Amino acid sequence: TQLLEQSPQFLSIQEGENLTVYCNSSSVFSSLQWYRQEPGEGPVLLVTVVTGGEVKKLKRLTFQFGDARKDSSLHITAAQPGDTGLYLCAGSTGGGKLIFGQGTELSVKP
Amino acid sequence: GAGVSQSPSNKVTEKGKDVELRCDPISGHTALYWYRQSLGQGLEFLIYFQGNSAPDKSGLPSDRFSAERTGGSVSTLTIQRTQQEDSAVYLCASSLVQPTGVSNYGYTFGSGTRLTVV
Repeated sequence: TQLLEQSPQFLSIQEGENLTVYCNSSSVFSSLQWYRQEPGEGPVLLVTVVTGGEVKKLKRLTFQFGDARKDSSLHITAAQPGDTGLYLCAGSTGGGKLIFGQGTELSVKP
Repeated sequence: GAGVSQSPSNKVTEKGKDVELRCDPISGHTALYWYRQSLGQGLEFLIYFQGNSAPDKSGLPSDRFSAERTGGSVSTLTIQRTQQEDSAVYLCASSLVQPTGVSNYGYTFGSGTRLTVV
């Protein structure tokens, strides 16, 4: 069974602080994606990383794919209340479906 | 359509009744997926369609759950004899699939159907 473990599960921080969310597995993935979900909505894709060691930046968000393609991290700089939401990592094994982690619930207080 | 459309958005049903959940994917997306999400949790894979066929239905929890897709477009997820543990948000997503069958493209999700079994 392929599993993606996310940590932490819950994170409550003040506006302006930095944070990192981790996504780990014992399995190798052909690609890894990060999604953000707000209440009552479906997840929305933030980024796809494909190459081991790849780093992608999206404004204040930095995504990294591990060299062995088993893990990934999401770093947010100077968090804002608008960053509040459920962050999900998802790995593709190339068979068509994505395997999702259990999510990190982020709350950024003004 | 412009996005993935799911209906109904909310469904309350009595234990033992059958329910049908509908998903209308983005036009041209050959892959369609059903996931289930319990409150504040990650997504549990149910079934994946490529065109009208389902190469992976390993996530269906029991034989009370079935799904079909017609015309390479609309999909219906049916739950028979609903139980309280079936209560969850059922999410549908669609995506493009590369010619090799590998999908590194992102999913576009619908807003889900919140199912409550009472």
